[in-house]
Amino acid sequence: QSVLTQPPSVSAAPGQKVTISCSGSSSNIGNNYVSWYQQLPGTAPKLLIYDNNKRPSGIPDRISGSKSGTSATLGITGLQTGDEADYYCGIWDSSLSAWVFGGGTKLTVL
Amino acid sequence: QLQLQESGPGLVKPSETLSLTCTVSGGSISSNSYYWGWIRQPPGKGLEWIGNIYYSGGTYYNPSVKSRVTISVDTSKNQFSLKLTSVTAADTAVYYCARTLLWFGEFNWFDPWGQGTLVTVSS
Repeated sequence: QSVLTQPPSVSAAPGQKVTISCSGSSSNIGNNYVSWYQQLPGTAPKLLIYDNNKRPSGIPDRISGSKSGTSATLGITGLQTGDEADYYCGIWDSSLSAWVFGGGTKLTVL
Repeated sequence: QLQLQESGPGLVKPSETLSLTCTVSGGSISSNSYYWGWIRQPPGKGLEWIGNIYYSGGTYYNPSVKSRVTISVDTSKNQFSLKLTSVTAADTAVYYCARTLLWFGEFNWFDPWGQGTLVTVSS
């Protein structure tokens, strides 16, 4: 069981908006930077968001990240079928002295 | 652009040692502030961090596998490697290598990632 809690699945219609939550504690989200990863079927994870809310070059602005207290949220607007993937949050946990990932959330675009 | 590529045996027998190498191209493994990491993903499951290494040899390991893991670096070949001893079926996974950044005592992200290599532990 991960120290970061994500919903197992979320779904929304094409063109709609979806949010994915990542809940942690003061030893991780409360004091360190969150990153988010997209894993399309059969491929390696790809960095979507770093430092809580920054997008790497090439990531569209319909992808966003935010953090409040010990929770973080990934938002995707204008959903496309190509967004169907597993999404993971990740962070350094200062108490464990270890990098941890959330359990992952499967996004279905209906 | 920076690319990482994992290589190594796809099948390892139980109780033996899993050995993988990650080759970095398009950039130097000796870049300041960047570490190089291993992450694995059992079939149908989530991601698990294994450990990170700096070009000078400094390492961080996941406490859950620390007793069985060694990560090393060869700057002359722009490669870093993973050794995992006494493997069992539970170590069957896709193993990824990736670059990470250490900033003010915490690792911040992993990017880019290699394509991954499946290692199966079976007799």
